[in-house]
Amino acid sequence: EVQLVESGGGLVQPGGSQRLTCAASGFTFSSSWMSWIRQAPGKGLEWVANINPDGGKMYYVDSVKGRFTISRDNAKNSLYLQMNSLRAEDTALYFCSKGSADWGQGTLVTVAS
Amino acid sequence: DVVLTQSPLSLPVTLGQPASISCRSSHSLVYSDGSTCLNWFQQRPGQSPRRLIYKVSNRDSGVPDRFSGTGSGTDFTLKISRVEAEDVGVYYCMQWTHWPHTFGQGTKLEIK
Repeated sequence: EVQLVESGGGLVQPGGSQRLTCAASGFTFSSSWMSWIRQAPGKGLEWVANINPDGGKMYYVDSVKGRFTISRDNAKNSLYLQMNSLRAEDTALYFCSKGSADWGQGTLVTVAS
Repeated sequence: DVVLTQSPLSLPVTLGQPASISCRSSHSLVYSDGSTCLNWFQQRPGQSPRRLIYKVSNRDSGVPDRFSGTGSGTDFTLKISRVEAEDVGVYYCMQWTHWPHTFGQGTKLEIK
C-alpha cells in the first residue's frame, strides 16, 4: 500500500524558511515522479513543483521559482520542499503526491507574524 | 500557463440523478506522443484529493463505474451516472501536458 506522510509544517514569520519532508513507502520511490501541491485555506488546488525519479529535473510554478527548492533522497525514500522567503500567500496545506495518483494527508504551513 | 475553466462551479443534484462537469482548456492538451494528459479528482470534505480518472477516460482502481470521463483536445467532461450521498465534495480537473501543471477552479457537488 502506498503511503505518503508529510511533516515539517508550522507557523513561520514572513521572510522566514521552512523545510517540508514527505516520507514514502509501499512503492518503488526511486522510479517515481513526485510532486508538491498546495491548497490555501478554503481555496482550490495549486501544483507547486515536480521532480523526476533521479532528481535531475525539477519544475516549479512561477510564483515559487527562486524561493522554493524540491529535492529527494532515494536512499531514504524521502521528498523535500525547501521554502525560503516565505510570504503570507504561501499559507496552505501542502500535499506530497506520487504522480498525482496517490496523496498524503498534507502538512499545514502558516506564514504570519 | 494553461487555464482550465470548469462549469458549473456549484452543482446541486438529487440523489440517483446524473451529474456532469465540464472542463475547458485554453490550450490543446494533446501531448507530443498523442496522449492527452487530463485527470479528474474528487475531494471529499476534510479529505485529501483522490484521483478518479487519468488521461481523460481511464478510471482508477476502486473508482465506481458510475464515474466516466470523456473529451478531447480542449473540451472534457466528467459524468456521474447516478449520484450517491458519498459523491458530495469538490471535483477538479488537472492538466499535465504543459508546464506548469494546472488545476481547474473546482466544482462543488451537493445533494439537493
